[in-house]
Amino acid sequence: EIVMTQSPATLSVSPGERATLSCRASQSVSSNLAWYQQKPGQAPRLLIYGASTRATGIPARFSGSGSGTEFTLTISSLQSEDFAVYYCQQYNNWPPYSFGQGTKLEIK
Amino acid sequence: EVQLVESGGGLVKPGGSLRLSCAASGFTFSSYSMNWVRQAPGKGLEWVSSISSSSSYIYYADSVKGRFTISRDNAKNSLYLQMNSLRAEDTAVYYCARAHGRGYWYFDLWGRGTLVTVSS
Repeated sequence: EIVMTQSPATLSVSPGERATLSCRASQSVSSNLAWYQQKPGQAPRLLIYGASTRATGIPARFSGSGSGTEFTLTISSLQSEDFAVYYCQQYNNWPPYSFGQGTKLEIK
Repeated sequence: EVQLVESGGGLVKPGGSLRLSCAASGFTFSSYSMNWVRQAPGKGLEWVSSISSSSSYIYYADSVKGRFTISRDNAKNSLYLQMNSLRAEDTAVYYCARAHGRGYWYFDLWGRGTLVTVSS
């Protein structure tokens, strides 16, 4: 089973600044990596798939990079609506699909 | 509107059973593999089970294998999760999620979830 590890657990950033979230896989997942955003009381929403492709309707300030075992989600200029929990997920080797434990992005 | 709507959650005693449903609309349900993903209170996401478009392939997480059964009815655009021998650790919001991709499947559409509470 592939273990996904996200860092940091909590990230405090001011609106308008850049946020960088990391995700590491315990073995290579190629580019089969997705990022999801979840706000309190809501379902997760797909942001990025294929490590770097934005999902439909996702603003250009969200970008993903990486391959193999190291991945990054960058939010270039934080808006108030971006403060949420972010999860990475590998879908290269399954079952099981595996998610990271999440990074909470909070307002500084 | 493209959407998934779960139902069937509730309070159940340990050892009890519950059947969750997920109603799909706005897309060709029979063309997609579907999944159940759960989230315990205050915790992260955990994949539970997957079923292929024609029900030919079914997979479970080890934590639910032998207790949960996934199924679908393409004529009714519906996905199901039969949960037996429920435990306190099964308490979670259960989401259905559509799988998308070619050969490698990510989850591009999620329902709002239904809460299952296992407690005496």
